[in-house]
Amino acid sequence: GAGVSQTPSNKVTEKGKYVELRCDPISGHTALYWYRQSLGQGPEFLIYFQGTGAADDSGLPNDRFFAVRPEGSVSTLKIQRTERGDSAVYLCASSSGPGAGELFFGEGSRLTVL
Amino acid sequence: GQSLEQPSEVTAVEGAIVQINCTYQTSGFYGLSWYQQHDGGAPTFLSYNALDGLEETGRFSSFLSRSDSYGYLLLQELQMKDSASYFCASDSSYKLIFGSGTRLLVRP
Repeated sequence: GAGVSQTPSNKVTEKGKYVELRCDPISGHTALYWYRQSLGQGPEFLIYFQGTGAADDSGLPNDRFFAVRPEGSVSTLKIQRTERGDSAVYLCASSSGPGAGELFFGEGSRLTVL
Repeated sequence: GQSLEQPSEVTAVEGAIVQINCTYQTSGFYGLSWYQQHDGGAPTFLSYNALDGLEETGRFSSFLSRSDSYGYLLLQELQMKDSASYFCASDSSYKLIFGSGTRLLVRP
C-alpha cells in the first residue's frame, strides 16, 4: 500500500479482555516497529522486527504483550488481560532496512481500557 | 538508561526563526532524527543527522554535535501550520528512542 495501515483505528475494551492490533507496513519494507504513545509523551519503543523475527523486544512492558510477524509483512500486537494502564495510542512504523533514521508511521490504534 | 531532553514548549511569531534543542544520553548511538506530529496525527520524518554538522532541507535545518551529545532543529520563516509537536529521537541499535517532545505554538 501507499502508507502504513493500522486497524482498528479505535478500540474500546473492558479490563481483563484480550485485544489484537494489526499493522500493514509499506510494501517491501523489511523492518517493522511497534511504539506506544501516551498523551503529551513521545512514542515509547516496544518491539522491532527485521523480516519475520523479533530483533529487539526489550520494550515490551511485561509478558501480557506479544507481537508476531509470521510472513515478514503484516504484524499483530497482542495484549492479554488488558489493564487500564494499557490505554494509549499504539503506533506502527516501517522502514526499508536496518538503521532507524527514517521511519514511516501509521496513524495508530487508540486503545481505551475501561 | 537512555534519555533525551528537549524543552516542553516553545512559542514564536509567524515569520520568525525558532531553535529546538535536544541533548541525549543513549547507548549504541548512530544518529539523531527529528519528527513532527500534529495533534491526532502520525509522527512524520523531518531530518536525520548521522555526522556532525548542519543538514538543511528547505525551511528546516538540523544540527548534530556528537562530542557534546547535542543537536537542534532550526525552523525558519515560521508558518501557522508549523504549530505541532517536535520530537528528537536517537537512532540507537536499530531502534529510535524518542524524547518527550517540544510543543511549538506559532502566533500571528
